[in-house]
Amino acid sequence: EPEVTQTPSHQVTQMGQEVILRCVPISNHLYFYWYRQILGQKVEFLVSFYNNEISEKSEIFDDQFSVERPDGSNFTLKIRSTKLEDSAMYFCASSAQTGATGELFFGEGSRLTVL
Amino acid sequence: SQQGEEDPQALSIQEGENATMNCSYKTSINNLQWYRQNSGRGLVHLILIRSNEREKHSGRLRVTLDTSKKSSSLLITASRAADTASYFCATDSGQGAQKLVFGQGTRLTINP
Repeated sequence: EPEVTQTPSHQVTQMGQEVILRCVPISNHLYFYWYRQILGQKVEFLVSFYNNEISEKSEIFDDQFSVERPDGSNFTLKIRSTKLEDSAMYFCASSAQTGATGELFFGEGSRLTVL
Repeated sequence: SQQGEEDPQALSIQEGENATMNCSYKTSINNLQWYRQNSGRGLVHLILIRSNEREKHSGRLRVTLDTSKKSSSLLITASRAADTASYFCATDSGQGAQKLVFGQGTRLTINP
């Protein structure tokens, strides 16, 4: 069964460093998303991506964050100058239809720990 | 503003009993979805109900939607220990938005 894969599963970084989280969405999906979940809290929307551009982003997704789909398979989230409060689980998701009409398929997440 | 909000925040029942979780939301929606998350894992889609539907079944799951009250419920019948997880409702925010907005979740514990 096709699945969304994310790497790394866990990354530890020093405050101020840059991290790149990688995702391989399901191959025939068109919509891509990043969500994050701080430990014990709700799943928060960060950004959606369609047709090679950002379609929506939340207030959390400021200039510190960027996304890219550098080739036909990978979808990356870059976090520049990490802060302690960036520590969270980051989930990538993809869907064949917009989230307004279809289900999202999530990866297992990348746990980011900022020290 | 918050969209989906689940109630209760935590629920603990005995195996074999039914579990009911509720979700309320604020804006008009195109659909409402329920997801499950095992501890430390990704979210798994359970069921989607469209705004023109009132009830939907999938195996031991039953979802209702009341758009006049802006609320939904998820019923898990004949619960099993393996149903222990967090359950989230998620809604689009209408207006052509693509994203899903998740609620706080209900942490369900099934005691053997």
